[in-house]
Amino acid sequence: DTEVTQTPKHLVMGMTNKKSLKCEQHMGHRAMYWYKQKAKKPPELMFVYSYEKLSINESVPSRFSPECPNSSLLNLHLHALQPEDSALYLCASSQAPLYGYTFGSGTRLTVV
Amino acid sequence: DAKTTQPNSMESNEEEPVHLPCNHSTISGTDYIHWYRQLPSQGPEYVIHGLTSNVNNRMASLAIAEDRKSSTLILHRATLRDAAVYYCILVRNAGNMLTFGGGTRLMVKP
Repeated sequence: DTEVTQTPKHLVMGMTNKKSLKCEQHMGHRAMYWYKQKAKKPPELMFVYSYEKLSINESVPSRFSPECPNSSLLNLHLHALQPEDSALYLCASSQAPLYGYTFGSGTRLTVV
Repeated sequence: DAKTTQPNSMESNEEEPVHLPCNHSTISGTDYIHWYRQLPSQGPEYVIHGLTSNVNNRMASLAIAEDRKSSTLILHRATLRDAAVYYCILVRNAGNMLTFGGGTRLMVKP
């Protein structure tokens, strides 16, 4: 299995809702990442998990809460989002950055 | 972090070679040069990487200048499926982050 699987592919949520994005990989990669991508812009790093511990938080608002339950799973919990948070959320994993990242296809989130 | 500079967009004809340039004049000795591409409605995809020597794989070739201040991604025969945004990224040895710049949008004409 050489893929990163993200679910759901699309999500529409209200500003008072709580939802979660899920990411899964079975390549034994030690690091997992969340990126946010607005239309026509490059992906922006949000969080990095290394060996299931949060190692980098790029000053992301607390309405985004990451969780890494085990080495294969990465969640992003969403609460009280704003319409400007609408974007494509990408998950990635790597054994080491020098060996390349594997990205999922993303979850397209719309906040209404 | 050292930055990269790429043209915003390029056009190519199908089945012709494409040379995508990248400038990275502030590259450090421990920075590897990575290329990723992002097809429409998909996540980025690893293409190739190198340190000092030119590299070839099934997808592309990477030519690195002798002073390492620039590099060129070479697609030997562009197809319509190669239309994507191509990102040149410096990855520091022992680093743990992939930071994307603006990238080059490649358009391939039939």
